[in-house]
Amino acid sequence: EPEVTQTPSHQVTQMGQEVILRCVPISNHLYFYWYRQILGQKVEFLVSFYNNEISEKSEIFDDQFSVERPDGSNFTLKIRSTKLEDSAMYFCAGSGGPGNEQFFGPGTRLTVL
Amino acid sequence: AQSVTQLDSHVSVSEGTPVLLRCNYSSSYSPSLFWYVQHPNKGLQLLLKYTSAATLVKGINGFEAEFKKSETSFHLTKPSAHMSDAAEYFCVVSDRSGGGADGLTFGKGTHLIIQP
Repeated sequence: EPEVTQTPSHQVTQMGQEVILRCVPISNHLYFYWYRQILGQKVEFLVSFYNNEISEKSEIFDDQFSVERPDGSNFTLKIRSTKLEDSAMYFCAGSGGPGNEQFFGPGTRLTVL
Repeated sequence: AQSVTQLDSHVSVSEGTPVLLRCNYSSSYSPSLFWYVQHPNKGLQLLLKYTSAATLVKGINGFEAEFKKSETSFHLTKPSAHMSDAAEYFCVVSDRSGGGADGLTFGKGTHLIIQP
């Protein structure tokens, strides 16, 4: 059964550094998403991506964040200059389209020191 | 705006007894509702979804949920708990069926503990 994969599983970085979180969605999916979960808090929507552009973004997704699908398979989330409060689990998801379920990856745990 | 409230942060049941995980939602439109499960070190897996068809929805692993519009509830149940059911469960709402290009709104999660 196809799965969404995410790398790395755990990323430790210094405050102010750039990080790139990578996701490989299921190959026939068209809509892609990033969510995050700060320890002890809710899973929060960050951004959705369709047809090579952002469809929707939450207020969390500020200018420090960007997403890209550079090669038709990988889907990346970049944080330009990390802050302590960016420490969280980041989940990637994909779906085949409106009305379809979202398939989630196992997550990347980002720790900002 | 939409929101989800999961009424219990932890639920503990004995193996073989019924499971009830409670969820209330608010939504400006006709919502789609989901339950996702997360086992340790695994991704979020869809258990079941409600998208305006039958109000009693059956999912995987013997779980089911009933959409009650008058009570704005979507509680998850299972007649007989199994040790493998121990996990974190998330109630999720979307104002568009399945989410589409829109993000999902998650509850805080309920940690289900199964006692032997």
